Amino acid sequence: EAGVAQSPRYKIIEKRQSVAFWCNPISGHATLYWYQQILGQGPKLLIQFQNNGVVDDSQLPKDRFSAERLKGVDSTLKIQPAKLEDSAVYLCASSPRTGTSYEQYFGPGTRLTVT
Amino acid sequence: AQSVAQPEDQVNVAEGNPLTVKCTYSVSGNPYLFWYVQYPNRGLQFLLKYITGDNLVKGSYGFEAEFNKSQTSFHLKKPSALVSDSALYFCAVISDTGRRALTFGSGTRLQVQP
Repeated sequence: EAGVAQSPRYKIIEKRQSVAFWCNPISGHATLYWYQQILGQGPKLLIQFQNNGVVDDSQLPKDRFSAERLKGVDSTLKIQPAKLEDSAVYLCASSPRTGTSYEQYFGPGTRLTVT
Repeated sequence: AQSVAQPEDQVNVAEGNPLTVKCTYSVSGNPYLFWYVQYPNRGLQFLLKYITGDNLVKGSYGFEAEFNKSQTSFHLKKPSALVSDSALYFCAVISDTGRRALTFGSGTRLQVQP
């Protein structure tokens, strides 16, 4: 079974530029998550999708971050404009369905450096 | 609000010795608890979870964890450490009530010396 795919793996941009990340979850997984992991910290949930609907985006900085999951499969996360503090690893995860007991499967992440 | 504390930034243990990585949590409602491991340049991998039932849960690679409700702890253990166990370990919690989002601790780096 193929895992969660993410691209690009690394990205360096200047502040005020825009950037987009792509995620393809495990086939058949209905729930998709985007996390931000700042160096030295645990991952923090940015947004959760159930199929193509948003379940939780309470910690997404909506003035600069946006995400979509068209057709309930792959997803993109965008930052516009980027700030220095957005430097982090952005992790995508998926799980078979929404439910607190289900483990999440993580992709390798995209390491973003904002200069 | 829910939270997870991993009091040790790093744990050092000799190969063959038992290891413990500590985790305490705070939630309203009943906790569902998870351990994940992160190897360099790779995503997090699921190790084990506690949902309900037996307080001792067994997971991948010989790891186990014990849920202690009175101490609000979920420590990760392994009887005999391997050098290949060296990695970053994250404890996470989610509640069966309120906001259904996984909250992670800050991580503990496990270093197993040969």
